[in-house]
Amino acid sequence: AQSVTQLGSHVSVSEGALVLLRCNYSSSVPPYLFWYVQYPNQGLQLLLKYTSAATLVKGINGFEAEFKKSETSFHLTKPSAHMSDAAEYFCAVSDRSNYQLIWGAGTKLIIKP
Amino acid sequence: NAGVTQTPKFQVLKTGQSMTLQCAQDMNHNSMYWYRQDPGMGLRLIYYSASEGTTDKGEVPNGYNVSRLNKREFSLRLESAAPSQTSVYFCASSDGLAAYEQYFGPGTRLTVT
Repeated sequence: AQSVTQLGSHVSVSEGALVLLRCNYSSSVPPYLFWYVQYPNQGLQLLLKYTSAATLVKGINGFEAEFKKSETSFHLTKPSAHMSDAAEYFCAVSDRSNYQLIWGAGTKLIIKP
Repeated sequence: NAGVTQTPKFQVLKTGQSMTLQCAQDMNHNSMYWYRQDPGMGLRLIYYSASEGTTDKGEVPNGYNVSRLNKREFSLRLESAAPSQTSVYFCASSDGLAAYEQYFGPGTRLTVT
């Protein structure tokens, strides 16, 4: 069965520093991969997705993620953190024959002034 | 364009009571989903509807029923609420399955005492 692991339930970075949120998946075939963001007391919204085109995917708000098949990873990065990036981030995977998204447990990003 | 709407926003139930959570989308999407979100566990799929007239079980369907009333509306019913169903419930919709972005409602916070 598919699974998604997000390393670190909380990640704290200083404003202006690099953001790196880690996501690893288990899949026998290259899946579709997603990052969603959830601001406090809101629903989730899509940041970016990988569906087999370029391995480096750019999303909204300056975020990007790189699909690395050999490492089964899809880590999310942003060069310079902003206070408004404070939120919870979820990685999700869907294999190509399956309707279901399998979600990671989430990583709460804390931005220090 | 309201996107995905959910009612109610908050609800407190006693053990054994029943209730229906309502969800509607105005994006003409084919697929709709019900998730529950619990701390540290990400999102778990309860039921989904790939298209109007069809519904299928997700990862955690026990204790829930759904109705796809028409293309716009997808309701979730708790017949006899239990404390283990205390959670935040999200409805989502998408154009199709697997590779498609899911659009989320604002959530319903349910407490069962």
